[in-house]
Amino acid sequence: LAKTTQPISMDSYEGQEVNITCSHNNIATNDYITWYQQFPSQGPRFIIQGYKTKVTNEVASLFIPADRKSSTLSLPRVSLSDTAVYYCLVGPDTGRRALTFGSGTRLQVQP
Amino acid sequence: EPEVTQTPSHQVTQMGQEVILRCVPISNHLYFYWYRQILGQKVEFLVSFYNNEISEKSEIFDDQFSVERPDGSNFTLKIRSTKLEDSAMYFCASMRGIEGYTFGSGTRLTVV
Repeated sequence: LAKTTQPISMDSYEGQEVNITCSHNNIATNDYITWYQQFPSQGPRFIIQGYKTKVTNEVASLFIPADRKSSTLSLPRVSLSDTAVYYCLVGPDTGRRALTFGSGTRLQVQP
Repeated sequence: EPEVTQTPSHQVTQMGQEVILRCVPISNHLYFYWYRQILGQKVEFLVSFYNNEISEKSEIFDDQFSVERPDGSNFTLKIRSTKLEDSAMYFCASMRGIEGYTFGSGTRLTVV
């Protein structure tokens, strides 16, 4: 599995756009990039997944450059409720694979 | 939005006792998982289950652990003889086969 590196923590204010970048230099051809969000004492929640270029859903956007060695999760206009840990995971998109969570990025949104 | 349901939300047990953690995955999902998270640590994979058998398990998932899907809806994790170090949040998850998992809210297991 490709190793991922992301910032340990980030701070933001309500209403700002937050971009969390993840490095995955050893990403394999069949690997997808998936982001999860976790609130304290809750299970991780799937946010977005992509393979290349840009993916957008109602929650976030995921930007993946052509070399796929990094990716950026973009959260538009964050609110206090976006305070959470965000995990970047890289691996094949098959149902049987185990997910390997790193330490994630702890996002703190302030008023 | 469909949910993965876990019960109980919190369980306290004495060391050496058996516990069963219960999960109801999303009905049309095919893949089922257990993960755990010790307080302040990473989320760790325990076991995956597909087509009524274990697909993959981690080193954590030793002989003290077992999983079962006794009927069409429940998915259980049994710990035969709990140890203090088994204290953690245990998350059940399910997946249809593509995109992301859906995790439950977890069971906080406290072994005393």
